[in-house]
Amino acid sequence: GESVGLHLPTLSVQEGDNSIINCAYSNSASDYFIWYKQESGKGPQFIIDIRSNMDKRQGQRVTVLLNKTVKHLSLQIAATQPGDSAVYFCAETPNDYKLSFGAGTTVTVRA
Amino acid sequence: DAGVTQSPTHLIKTRGQQVTLRCSPKSGHDTVSWYQQALGQGPQFIFQYYEEEERQRGNFPDRFSGHQFPNYSSELNVNALLLGDSALYLCASSRGRKEKLFFGSGTQLSVL
Repeated sequence: GESVGLHLPTLSVQEGDNSIINCAYSNSASDYFIWYKQESGKGPQFIIDIRSNMDKRQGQRVTVLLNKTVKHLSLQIAATQPGDSAVYFCAETPNDYKLSFGAGTTVTVRA
Repeated sequence: DAGVTQSPTHLIKTRGQQVTLRCSPKSGHDTVSWYQQALGQGPQFIFQYYEEEERQRGNFPDRFSGHQFPNYSSELNVNALLLGDSALYLCASSRGRKEKLFFGSGTQLSVL
């Protein structure tokens, strides 16, 4: 079936370095993609989104890149901070109604 | 402005029992979606409610049902609980069916 997956289940990064989290999706009909951050004991928190008519979108310290040719999505976090430690999920949907989430990448920031 | 609130935060049930989880959407939101998140997994879509009707449904059995009230709050009901229903149940609300989702902190359900 269709699914959204992440390339690596864990990522360890030095504080101050940039982080890159990758995600592959398989549903070619998906046209809306979102990155969420989930801290322990909390629900997913929206980080940034991108529609299929774009290939890059920037937020505060975060950038999302979309490569529709290879069905790949990435989240870049600049100057990673201890507060960035969390599980990161990519999600996709072809109709904006039902999100399909990947299994997540656990990011640990080393001091 | 309160965000999405869910109750209870934790719940323990035994197999075969029934459970009701509750969700109040963020102020100004009229659409509520429910997700199930098993330990170590991403959330899985259960269903979406809009205008008091179920509009979309994921791959979940009929034991999972819901309701949306005129004030946009929602309930998730699960009948005949199985051990495999143990999970974090997340409610998300949005202003319209195609808008950004805001998630609550979830209800942790344990079935013994």
